[in-house]
Amino acid sequence: ERVMTQSPDTLSVSPGERATLSCRASQSVSSGLAWYQQKPGQAPRLLIYSVSTRATGIPARFSGSGSGTEFTLSISSLQSEDFAIYYCQQYDNWPLTFGQGTRLEIK
Amino acid sequence: QVQLQESGPGLVKPSETLSLTCTVSGDSISPYYWSWIRQPAGKGLEWIGRIYLPDDTIYNPSLKSRLTMSKDMSKNQISMKLSSVTAADTAVYYCARETPVPGQRWFDYWGQGTLVTVSS
Repeated sequence: ERVMTQSPDTLSVSPGERATLSCRASQSVSSGLAWYQQKPGQAPRLLIYSVSTRATGIPARFSGSGSGTEFTLSISSLQSEDFAIYYCQQYDNWPLTFGQGTRLEIK
Repeated sequence: QVQLQESGPGLVKPSETLSLTCTVSGDSISPYYWSWIRQPAGKGLEWIGRIYLPDDTIYNPSLKSRLTMSKDMSKNQISMKLSSVTAADTAVYYCARETPVPGQRWFDYWGQGTLVTVSS
């Protein structure tokens, strides 16, 4: 099983600033990496797939990068609606696994 | 617009079987892969398993011995049964559609989730 570890657990950033979230895989997941955003009481929403491809309707301030075992989600110029929990998911191997999440909070 | 709606008992007794159904509207379930994913309160996401055809399923090894997934084409529904539940199975359960892009296994549509509590 590929264990996905996200860091930090909580990230405090001011609106308008940039946030950088990390996701590390215990073994290579190639380019099989997606990112989701989850707000309280809601289902996760797909942001990024294949490491760096934005899903339909996702603003350009969201970007993904990385390869192999190290991945990054960047959010430039944070908006109020961006404060949420973010999860990475690997889909290179079974079982599909998620990171534990990074809570992005307002500083 | 594809919509998914989970349903089932909100309370299940320990050692009994948890049964959930996901009703899909806006598209047929037949050409797609469907997964169940759960989330204990305040915790992360755990992929439970996926189904394509009735005999084409992949389960999380951690749950495989207790899990059965099925599809009802006539009702456009997918279902799951998890036997011998314990308090550790208490969670919000989501059904989700896997993207139809070949070789890709991310989730483009999710249900709103249903809370299942295991307690006597």
